[in-house]
Amino acid sequence: DTGVSQDPRHKITKRGQNVTFRCDPISEHNRLYWYRQTLGQGPEFLTYFQNEAQLEKSRLLSDRFSAERPKGSFSTLEIQRTEQGDSAMYLCASSRRDIGKGYTFGSGTRLTVV
Amino acid sequence: DAKTTQPPSMDCAEGRAANLPCNHSTISGNEYVYWYRQIHSQGPQYIIHGLKNNETNEMASLIITEDRKSSTLILPHATLRDTAVYYCIVTGGGNKLTFGTGTQLKVEL
Repeated sequence: DTGVSQDPRHKITKRGQNVTFRCDPISEHNRLYWYRQTLGQGPEFLTYFQNEAQLEKSRLLSDRFSAERPKGSFSTLEIQRTEQGDSAMYLCASSRRDIGKGYTFGSGTRLTVV
Repeated sequence: DAKTTQPPSMDCAEGRAANLPCNHSTISGNEYVYWYRQIHSQGPQYIIHGLKNNETNEMASLIITEDRKSSTLILPHATLRDTAVYYCIVTGGGNKLTFGTGTQLKVEL
């Protein structure tokens, strides 16, 4: 169990640019989740996958956001035309279908839009 | 998922027990109580969960009242490394966890 890996750890981008983050879940976990966290707040749910199928998306996930998990393994989260309000920590988590022992979160990608 | 209420902050002396309360008065019969913590600049970490019985693991104990409307997370011998934000979450085991703002626990010498 090598944990959930996220890359990059930090990203600074100019407003209007596109960014892509990657998440590698625990290999035997078939569920993968993306959350966003702003300063002083708890993480907010964005979307989740079961295997390669994206089964739920939050209304927070505007049309500038897209997430994929093409082979049911790693996932990418892309933000197009970034805005300053997108600055946040983006967290990925994975779990088995039965979340009895909860999620395992990665350390996150901190995005700063300047 | 039911809403939870936690105090925004608590202090605890190192070596003493830290008792973190959580109210979840609207919890329904099939909903679990989960606790996570988040140390600064890291992702949240699962601590423990329970349905109605008290639970204990290597990290903590979870005490759930008989009516299930509140619970307490107990760290029996808090250390400086337990300084973190602690989140109490109630969920039916579905597809997402709804985090509140949690309790900032500060463990001091």
